[in-house]
Amino acid sequence: EAQLVESGGDFVQPGGSLRLSCAASGFSFSNSDLHWVRQTSGKGLEWVSAIGAGGDTYYTSSVKGRFTISRENAKNSLYLQMNSLTAGDSAVYYCAREGYSTSWNDWYFDLWGRGTLVTVSS
Amino acid sequence: QSALTQPASVSGSPGQSITISCAGTSSDVGAYNFVSWYQQHPGKAPKLMIFDVSDRPSGVSSRFSGSKSGNTASLAISGLQPEDEADYYCSSYTTSRTQVFGTGTKVTVL
Repeated sequence: EAQLVESGGDFVQPGGSLRLSCAASGFSFSNSDLHWVRQTSGKGLEWVSAIGAGGDTYYTSSVKGRFTISRENAKNSLYLQMNSLTAGDSAVYYCAREGYSTSWNDWYFDLWGRGTLVTVSS
Repeated sequence: QSALTQPASVSGSPGQSITISCAGTSSDVGAYNFVSWYQQHPGKAPKLMIFDVSDRPSGVSSRFSGSKSGNTASLAISGLQPEDEADYYCSSYTTSRTQVFGTGTKVTVL
């Protein structure tokens, strides 16, 4: 069974850093495009970042220059390095697998993890 | 990139049909046929219900259907059932090479 499991969420002070991990199993990780999506408490979903199977990366404007997405295919793992954190980054962070499509920009998410909570506060 | 606009809440009685709208712009919903919809129950991860405007993943009930006209997409739920009570989010790829989600709609089964 295909599965994604996030970890690394924690309580951190403003200006601090955190590295999230997402362990994948049950599918071809190296051939998959992967994303991070976050959800603030009681609020909606916000797309954060994506990494293609070939290593191309994309970011939402509010995290560009602060967050770095990466992958390690040998470990079936996705990462999100988060620096210069602010209160606005507090959220549950989900990793998600992009569904199959013949179009490279057809981004939809057919597999989600259960999320990991990041709290940024002094 | 602003979030797509959805009604905050929609309700219906069991067996009825409801529709949730998702208003975007010519830079997202109107630009591509890459609209997807997600269902989220409290404390759970989102679940894909519709992709590519109107396609259903295997295992999703045919009571769920999607459509699009111009810059607005819609999700229809027919034969409303108690388990359909959840939050629903639309999403679209954008011309800025990013993804945007809707503001979310709480569906209540009366």
